[in-house]
Amino acid sequence: GENVEQHPSTLSVQEGDSAVIKCTYSDSASNYFPWYKQELGKRPQLIIDIRSNVGEKKDQRIAVTLNKTAKHFSLHITETQPEDSAVYFCAASKAAGNKLTFGGGTRVLVKP
Amino acid sequence: GAGVSQSPSNKVTEKGKDVELRCDPISGHTALYWYRQSLGQGLEFLIYFQGNSAPDKSGLPSDRFSAERTGGSVSTLTIQRTQQEDSAVYLCASSLNNEKLFFGSGTQLSVL
Repeated sequence: GENVEQHPSTLSVQEGDSAVIKCTYSDSASNYFPWYKQELGKRPQLIIDIRSNVGEKKDQRIAVTLNKTAKHFSLHITETQPEDSAVYFCAASKAAGNKLTFGGGTRVLVKP
Repeated sequence: GAGVSQSPSNKVTEKGKDVELRCDPISGHTALYWYRQSLGQGLEFLIYFQGNSAPDKSGLPSDRFSAERTGGSVSTLTIQRTQQEDSAVYLCASSLNNEKLFFGSGTQLSVL
């Protein structure tokens, strides 16, 4: 089955700097890659996703890039703010109706 | 309901007792997942239901854990003979097409 590895496990950045989280996946048939954000004491929520037919997607200060050849994808957060402090999870699946597999999570701390 | 509902929100039990955790997914969602999350840790996959297909039970940590989904809607996770290491937050999530997961607020299980 699919295996998703996520790095780093923790990331501390200064407010205003950028944060990058990387994930690799094992199943070349995977074609859907979402990212979830979990704030302290709250449930995970989808923040952005990308499908294999595009290489990059942006939504305000967050962007995701995908390299299908290398089987890795990354989350980029620019101009970080304290409210970006949370645990971020990447995930991968083959297609609609197939199980979503999560990475181990990255705890991001934005220092004011 | 507007979202995924889990009950109880908190459960304290004695070691050796059985517990049942309930998940009411969003109406019409065919996919349902159970995850376990220990304090500060990632999402540990437990079981996945997709429509009428046989569930993916590959994440259940022992035969003390079981789950069912009746009528393609409500799901119950049962833990028999609870142990202290079972203490965690149990999260349920549902999805229409496995592309956006909606998580419940979880059940905090404490085994004394």
